[in-house]
Amino acid sequence: NAGVTQTPKFRVLKTGQSMTLLCAQDMNHEYMYWYRQDPGMGLRLIHYSVGEGTTAKGEVPDGYNVSRLKKQNFLLGLESAAPSQTSVYFCASTRFRGSNTEAFFGQGTRLTVV
Amino acid sequence: QQPVQSPQAVILREGEDAVINCSSSKALYSVHWYRQKHGEAPVFLMILLKGGEQKGHEKISASFNEKKQQSSLYLTASQLSYSGTYFCGTGANAGNMLTFGGGTRLMVKP
Repeated sequence: NAGVTQTPKFRVLKTGQSMTLLCAQDMNHEYMYWYRQDPGMGLRLIHYSVGEGTTAKGEVPDGYNVSRLKKQNFLLGLESAAPSQTSVYFCASTRFRGSNTEAFFGQGTRLTVV
Repeated sequence: QQPVQSPQAVILREGEDAVINCSSSKALYSVHWYRQKHGEAPVFLMILLKGGEQKGHEKISASFNEKKQQSSLYLTASQLSYSGTYFCGTGANAGNMLTFGGGTRLMVKP
């Protein structure tokens, strides 16, 4: 099993450009999450989904949009990238909702906005 | 609010022990521990639940003091492979999403 796969792994954007990050999981998990990781800040939740067709805001949702059209995929979009969005982005999935279940993470996407 | 981890960084020699702490200002239902090696995804180590249940994949020990809202991860007889950044994630109840701490960087030297 591949687990959680993110594409792309690296990307450089100019300010104002848009892009979409793709997360795919093959574990049939209902719940999927997007985090950003900045030095010293740990992982902060951007958006999450509790099932196909549903999304919800996390801790730091501004400037991002998400979609979950298929159960196995969770897309993170940046409509107009800003330097403050330079970060490493991780997707994760869990079998069950909430904090009593193991999270599986993708390899991360390193995004630089210049 | 993010849990606070201490220390922020620690350097060990192989075979030495280390303790990493995670403190929350809120009452906790669960504490997770993950390890992340440089350039890689965080990997699950352990979940500790209110009431004493623990679930883990590795021979790593940890404690959860519900009254003090704290958890500690114990790394004994450290190996080079233990190097990485350790994150705790906390949840106030079973339905909550996790909130992660800022991480503790651990380096084990030969």
